[in-house]
Amino acid sequence: GDSVTQMEGPVTLSEEAFLTINCTYTATGYPSLFWYVQYPGEGLQLLLKATKADDKGSNKGFEATYRKETTSFHLEKGSVQVSDSAVYFCADTGRRALTFGSGTRLQVQP
Amino acid sequence: DTAVSQTPKYLVTQMGNDKSIKCEQNLGHDTMYWYKQDSKKFLKIMFSYNNKELIINETVPNRFSPKSPDKAHLNLHINSLELGDSAVYFCASSDTGLKASPLHFGNGTRLTVT
Repeated sequence: GDSVTQMEGPVTLSEEAFLTINCTYTATGYPSLFWYVQYPGEGLQLLLKATKADDKGSNKGFEATYRKETTSFHLEKGSVQVSDSAVYFCADTGRRALTFGSGTRLQVQP
Repeated sequence: DTAVSQTPKYLVTQMGNDKSIKCEQNLGHDTMYWYKQDSKKFLKIMFSYNNKELIINETVPNRFSPKSPDKAHLNLHINSLELGDSAVYFCASSDTGLKASPLHFGNGTRLTVT
């Protein structure tokens, strides 16, 4: 079945460090790809999305590029803040419903 | 205004009991979902309804029964609760046509079965 794999956390960074969270997908065809963020005690919120190959999704300084050749959608941010501490989920439009990765916890220290 | 709201936020109950979680969305979406998030944050689809019709029913025990009285509501009833049912349950909604339509999530219901 379809699956989304993302790097295990937690990822611990100092403020202003560069962030990369890797994500690869297995859905065939041309799935749409998403990154969601979950802050403590809350539901998931859409962070960014890309709907076709080579598209770059971006929001709040985060960006991710849809790479069909490597089936990847890595999340990056040039300078993280303490307020970015959360759990990040990669997802694709699987066969019948959105399929999520296992989540990566990001901890940003001042 | 809350877009997707679910109640209760916390639910603590004993094994064997029956409980319900309610969800409502005011976004005008056609499709609603229930996801289960385990203690390791892994999210798994349970059910999906489109315009009150069940379209996804993953390998979920029969003790779980979703009910959609109208397209703005999707409730989850759980019979004979077990310890392994402890998790956070999220309701979500989206426009029909999933490919580019993101999910809007509620804040979750933390179910603890003792």
